[in-house]
Amino acid sequence: AQRVTQPEKLLSVFKGAPVELKCNYSYSGSPELFWYVQYSRQRLQLLLRHISRESIKGFTADLNKGETSFHLKKPFAQEEDSAMYYCALKAYGGSQGNLIFGKGTKLSVKP
Amino acid sequence: DAGVTQSPTHLIKTRGQHVTLRCSPISGHKSVSWYQQVLGQGPQFIFQYYEKEERGRGNFPDRFSARQFPNYSSELNVNALLLGDSALYLCASSLEPGELFFGEGSRLTVL
Repeated sequence: AQRVTQPEKLLSVFKGAPVELKCNYSYSGSPELFWYVQYSRQRLQLLLRHISRESIKGFTADLNKGETSFHLKKPFAQEEDSAMYYCALKAYGGSQGNLIFGKGTKLSVKP
Repeated sequence: DAGVTQSPTHLIKTRGQHVTLRCSPISGHKSVSWYQQVLGQGPQFIFQYYEKEERGRGNFPDRFSARQFPNYSSELNVNALLLGDSALYLCASSLEPGELFFGEGSRLTVL
């Protein structure tokens, strides 16, 4: 079965602390994984995708096939990082329009 | 560009009624996807349309249907509404393949 698990509903850190948002997936084959973010009163938007291997707003995510994980990391959290973060997996046989989302983690960065 | 636009933004229906939700994609985007987001959950894939043809269908009953018009706008229809259909319905458009751009959603309440 294809599944995305985000074990933390809420993650609270202080400004300047490291952040790691966990994402585990279940998938047969080579997965395509994404992180989407929703800031307060804004639309859901793409943060990064694993195939790009890029850093966006200081965030990185590495695909670990052995641990079936795609954790999102940032070395020094900023208050503006407070948002809802969703990990997503492209469904088997589907296109990038057909994504399986996790339940999301709310990140709160305190001053 | 206004981005993906959805209408109506909010609506209230009673059980057994029918609802039609509308979506206008970003200019040039030929793919439209629909997602249902229940409170506290991540978005769940309902349909994807590309060039007016159904590209994918999620695990939803036949009461849910959709279509895409020649101008690439789309409608999501839900018949015989149930209380459990209360949710935020998100539309997303994209180039194919490509990043999903989400609308602000239509919040449906079924009483």
